[in-house]
Amino acid sequence: EVQLVESGGGLVQPGRSLRLSCAASGFTFDDYAMHWVRQAPGKGLEWVSGISWNSGSIGYADSVKGRFTISRDNAKNSLYLQMNSLRAEDTALYYCAKDRSGWTHIFDYWGQGTLVTVSS
Amino acid sequence: AIRMTQSPSSFSASTGDRVTITCRASQGISSYLAWYQQKPGKAPKLLIYAASTLQSGVPSRFSGSGSGTDFTLTISCLQSEDFATYYCQQYYSYPPAFGQGTKVEIK
Repeated sequence: EVQLVESGGGLVQPGRSLRLSCAASGFTFDDYAMHWVRQAPGKGLEWVSGISWNSGSIGYADSVKGRFTISRDNAKNSLYLQMNSLRAEDTALYYCAKDRSGWTHIFDYWGQGTLVTVSS
Repeated sequence: AIRMTQSPSSFSASTGDRVTITCRASQGISSYLAWYQQKPGKAPKLLIYAASTLQSGVPSRFSGSGSGTDFTLTISCLQSEDFATYYCQQYYSYPPAFGQGTKVEIK
């Protein structure tokens, strides 16, 4: 059974940093691209960032480019999102999502999310 | 960036109804479209990709159609567990983008 478990969320002041983690199990992690997708409270879904199986391809939404960094450790079956210079508009539930295959950006499994609140 | 627009934003329906949700892309995306279902407090679930291919395990009452700029998600016979919010998503070009969602409520 595919499991994705996010952690690292919390309350942080504007301008500070936070690092999210996603622990994956139930599939061959290094065969798949992985993504972060966020959802502001009461709002829709927004793709944040994606990373290919070997970290050779990486993409970011314009809203986070230059502030967020995605990475993965295939030996630890883990995905990360380093978030710097956080803003109030980054407040959201952050989901880790598995790519269906290759670099499709179809998200076939999702974690339950970790909540990031940016507020003074 | 490609913009995805869903209609309606919400509507009420009854169990057993046939319902259709529309998604329009701001430019052509071929068949690079997925549909997701999200229930309150839960993560989204992939229903359909490639505009009309049912994800494994998804009931056959769900179907998708369309190509280019106009797409539809149809639920042939609405069940109680189908009351949720539905999102379309294009993966034709960067950045991947979701529609604003369509909430299906109980009449």
